[in-house]
Amino acid sequence: QVQLQESGPGLVKPSGTLSLTCAVSGGSISSSNWWTWVRQTPGTGLEWIGEIYHSGSTNYNPSLMSRLTISVDKSKNQFSLKLRFVTAADTAVYYCARGRDSSSSRNFDYWGQGTLVTVSS
Amino acid sequence: QSVLTQPPSVSGAPGQRVTISCTGSGSSIGAGYDVHWYQQLPGTAPRLLIYGNSNRPSGVPDRFSGSKSDTSASLAITGLRAEDEADYYCQSYDSSLSGSKVFGTGTKVTVL
Repeated sequence: QVQLQESGPGLVKPSGTLSLTCAVSGGSISSSNWWTWVRQTPGTGLEWIGEIYHSGSTNYNPSLMSRLTISVDKSKNQFSLKLRFVTAADTAVYYCARGRDSSSSRNFDYWGQGTLVTVSS
Repeated sequence: QSVLTQPPSVSGAPGQRVTISCTGSGSSIGAGYDVHWYQQLPGTAPRLLIYGNSNRPSGVPDRFSGSKSDTSASLAITGLRAEDEADYYCQSYDSSLSGSKVFGTGTKVTVL
């Protein structure tokens, strides 16, 4: 059973960098899956942030691309998110998830429990 | 930024059937991309409920079913139970958004 666990600071100052890590257990990050970040705010529902393959290939949400970096550490079986120049609008619950391809689009079959990140001074 | 539109809420009595619609466009569902559905119970992470339009992962009751037609998709819950009270989201892909995976606006199901 694949398990994912997010970790990182729960409070980030405005204009700072939000950094989160997702540890994967029960499976290899080098499997044929995309490793994904999703966030959720009360006002805007679920938002796909971006994803990474074990090769290092990434896809990012165009609205976040200029501030976003997702990386993978195969030796630790984990992947990470960095979002720069954050504002209050980036306050959300951040989830990591495993992306699995169906015939024509990707779905997310395993999720972490989520971690609340608040942007405030 | 959601490009998949769902009704904000639906409700039904125990045992009844409810359906949730998910309306996309010619660059998402209408382009032939699969639709997936998630259930989110209060205070928990989303759970994959339906994948590839109509397939249920192991452990999902057959009371849940999905379908897709043209630019929209639907999730049906038959024999509604109290434990089905949750938020439901559809998800697909939109080719007009540089490879973005997109979620629906979400629907709250209330069991009366």
